[in-house]
Amino acid sequence: DVVMTQTPVSLSVSLGNQASISCRSSQSLLHSDGNTYLSWYLQKPGQSPQLLIYLASNRFSGVSNRFSGSGSGTDFTLKISRVEPEDLGVYYCFQHTHLPLTFGSGTKLEIK
Amino acid sequence: EVQLVESGGGLVQPGRSLKLSCAASGFTFSDYYMAWVRQAPTKGLEWVASISYDGGSTYYRDSVKGRFTISRDNAKSSLYLQMDSLRSEDTATYYCTTGELAFAYWGQGTLVTVSS
Repeated sequence: DVVMTQTPVSLSVSLGNQASISCRSSQSLLHSDGNTYLSWYLQKPGQSPQLLIYLASNRFSGVSNRFSGSGSGTDFTLKISRVEPEDLGVYYCFQHTHLPLTFGSGTKLEIK
Repeated sequence: EVQLVESGGGLVQPGRSLKLSCAASGFTFSDYYMAWVRQAPTKGLEWVASISYDGGSTYYRDSVKGRFTISRDNAKSSLYLQMDSLRSEDTATYYCTTGELAFAYWGQGTLVTVSS
């Protein structure tokens, strides 16, 4: 199974500052079709997960441009610029290049 | 507007069965792979199973293989998860999810509690 290692486990950020979350996979996520099936999700308290980024670096419709994804192969990063109160929650990376599909263990973002 | 509404959760004894349903609307159901993702209390997200557009291909995580069956009825725009031989470790909120290049749409989840 592809192991998705997310760091840090938790993050405390002041409003207006930047947050960065790393996700490393135990195998390359480059699919034979040329796509890299790595996505990022935010689960706000008491809510279902919501998609932020797909194919490693594409923002989903309606997602603030304060969120950006980068990376390739096995190393990926989610950056949140100018953190706002509504950004708090748990962030997950997810790969669906290889079966079984696997999530990272999550990064809890708290606002200082 | 895309909507996914799960139902069928509840309290069930170990070894018993339960069937979850997900009613979809707002998109052409037969055009999308569908999946179930679960989340144990206070834990992270875990993919459970996926099914292809016409139901011809199904995929499972090892821990549910042989016990869970994912299926769909495109005429009813509905997704199902038949869960047999339930174990305490299957206790979780089960989400129905779909999307073109990622899990873009999620239901509100249905809670399954396996306990005697």
